[in-house]
Amino acid sequence: AAGVIQSPRHLIKEKRETATLKCYPIPRHDTVYWYQQGPGQDPQFLISFYEKMQSDKGSIPDRFSAQQFSDYHSELNMSSLELGDSALYFCASSSRDISYEQYFGPGTRLTVT
Amino acid sequence: GQQVMQIPQYQHVQEGEDFTTYCNSSTTLSNIQWYKQRPGGHPVFLIQLVKSGEVKKQKRLTFQFGEAKKNSSLHITATQTTDVGTYFCAGPSSGGSQGNLIFGKGTKLSVKP
Repeated sequence: AAGVIQSPRHLIKEKRETATLKCYPIPRHDTVYWYQQGPGQDPQFLISFYEKMQSDKGSIPDRFSAQQFSDYHSELNMSSLELGDSALYFCASSSRDISYEQYFGPGTRLTVT
Repeated sequence: GQQVMQIPQYQHVQEGEDFTTYCNSSTTLSNIQWYKQRPGGHPVFLIQLVKSGEVKKQKRLTFQFGEAKKNSSLHITATQTTDVGTYFCAGPSSGGSQGNLIFGKGTKLSVKP
């Protein structure tokens, strides 16, 4: 079965640089979520999209933005990177047809130096 | 704000011993979901409970949803080394869009062979 795809899997950036993370949800899933997970922490909700429209915002810094495209893939854009942005970034997708069970991608490990 | 709390934070058991993690919400939940994250992996959906007092079993795992729909538990009988990981409970965000979840801090399980 198709899973959520994320790219890149690893990313190393320097402070003040920008980064773009990509997510390809499971086909026919109508909702995409972005999470940030620090070491030993729980996933922190950043932002979600339902049918390509932003549906909710969590603890997403103003330096970050995201969008979902016509083919349903989503991108998380991160600017003016800070050391504290180093974390695992997960994308998850779900559908009301499966009661919003969330299926997570493998994550992108971002390291800011 | 809405909180989902989990205890214990860590649990170390000998292989073959039982394990239980408890989840408590500050608000009544329409449903609760459980996820497992292996070391270095991504959260994987385990189960969703919807009904008050519901009990569901998956092999050695038993999930319960409290009568008041504010607490839940996950019990593993006779742990195995493959059970190692962090177990998260998650409930719908009361102020968010459909499908958005608030995760507990997780219980990290280690199993000594």
